[in-house]
Amino acid sequence: QSVLTQPPSVSAAPGQKVTISCSGSSSNIGNNYVSWYQQLPGTAPKLLIYDNNKRPSGIPDRFSGSKSGTSATLGITGLQTGDEADYYCGTWDSSLSASYVFGTGTKVTVL
Amino acid sequence: QVQLQESGPGLVKPSGTLSLTCAVSGGSISSSNWWSWVRQPPGKGLEWIGEIYHSGSTNYNPSLKSRVTISVDKSKNQFSLKLSSVTAADTAVYYCARGRRITIFGVVSYYFDYWGQGTLVTVSS
Repeated sequence: QSVLTQPPSVSAAPGQKVTISCSGSSSNIGNNYVSWYQQLPGTAPKLLIYDNNKRPSGIPDRFSGSKSGTSATLGITGLQTGDEADYYCGTWDSSLSASYVFGTGTKVTVL
Repeated sequence: QVQLQESGPGLVKPSGTLSLTCAVSGGSISSSNWWSWVRQPPGKGLEWIGEIYHSGSTNYNPSLKSRVTISVDKSKNQFSLKLSSVTAADTAVYYCARGRRITIFGVVSYYFDYWGQGTLVTVSS
């Protein structure tokens, strides 16, 4: 029932690059900032990217974010086995039923 | 370093009320942040439940609004969640999180920078 759509899974070999898309609408991604979260197995989500493309302290520059129109993208370069996790986008939805919304989630597999 | 810790019963009976508390340490709940609850059913994605400001102002997920109450206790530096009339569909790991929200000219910047470790709540008789 999420209003933000992500691919269920992406995969690549170690050292390669993956991108994860997050598609929304004008009431959410189109007019508000996007954040991205990494959830390693059995752990709480962790903030990776905020305000579309900013990285919190301690997040390596292998992780990057961008936004265009009603879609956002998370990029991971130099893929490592430790990057195997679920990734979620999130943003505020400013429609009549205003609320925070998460993406459907994407599983990243390192081959 | 801000830390959040959820606590509460791990088992709730159907039609009962789920009650959880999130204790905040390393920072004041009266700071300029919103405090949220997020849940994740087993094997599924994240769902935002709602938020509270230290003033007591709240916002809820429309799909849960009729059953949710979030409250704050500034004297104990904690906030709480109550979800009524629970069913098996409410079985999930429940997280509390600190939300950083700024609105400039109608554009919202909102992200969760600190999370609790999560607590599994099972709804079963």
